[in-house]
Amino acid sequence: GNSVTQMEGPVTLSEEAFLTINCTYTATGYPSLFWYVQYPGEGLQLLLKATKADDKGSNKGFEATYRKETTSFHLEKGSVQVSDSAVYFCALRRSDSWGKLQFGAGTQVVVTP
Amino acid sequence: DGGITQSPKYLFRKEGQNVTLSCEQNLNHDAMYWYRQDPGQGLRLIYYSQIVNDFQKGDIAEGYSVSREKKESFPLTVTSAQKNPTAFYLCASSIGGAGGAYEQYFGPGTRLTVT
Repeated sequence: GNSVTQMEGPVTLSEEAFLTINCTYTATGYPSLFWYVQYPGEGLQLLLKATKADDKGSNKGFEATYRKETTSFHLEKGSVQVSDSAVYFCALRRSDSWGKLQFGAGTQVVVTP
Repeated sequence: DGGITQSPKYLFRKEGQNVTLSCEQNLNHDAMYWYRQDPGQGLRLIYYSQIVNDFQKGDIAEGYSVSREKKESFPLTVTSAQKNPTAFYLCASSIGGAGGAYEQYFGPGTRLTVT
């Protein structure tokens, strides 16, 4: 079946540090991949997405590249801010699925001044 | 502004009572979803609906019920049969249909506490 595996948190960083959150997946076919962010007490917001191999999604300084050969979609940001403190979720949508998403467990990121 | 609204943000109930959580969207999306989130955990799918008057069980449907009488609305009832109902509940919607990279849009959530 489909599954999404994320690195465990919390990830604690200083402001302006480089952030990487690993995400690997198991799925048949060519799924679409997503990163969502959840700020404390709020719903999830779409951060970025990629729909095919080698696509790079980017938004607000975050990037992730769809790597078919390693079944990965790692999230990166070159210089984090305190406001980036949140929980980040990796998710996939199978190519033959009408809409359901499979989510990873989430990775909490804490950025200190 | 288009979006998803959930009300109330906080809800308190006594054990043994049914409670209904509201979810409304004005995005004209066909598909709607309910998730449960427990502290430090990911999202688990409770129910989903592809179209009006149709819905399917997700991974943890026991103790919950839904209806989809209107495209814009997908209320969730947490029944007294749900053994551990205290959680954060998230509603989402998306364009339906196979294929495509249709992301889900989420509401702000309802935090339910049952004592």
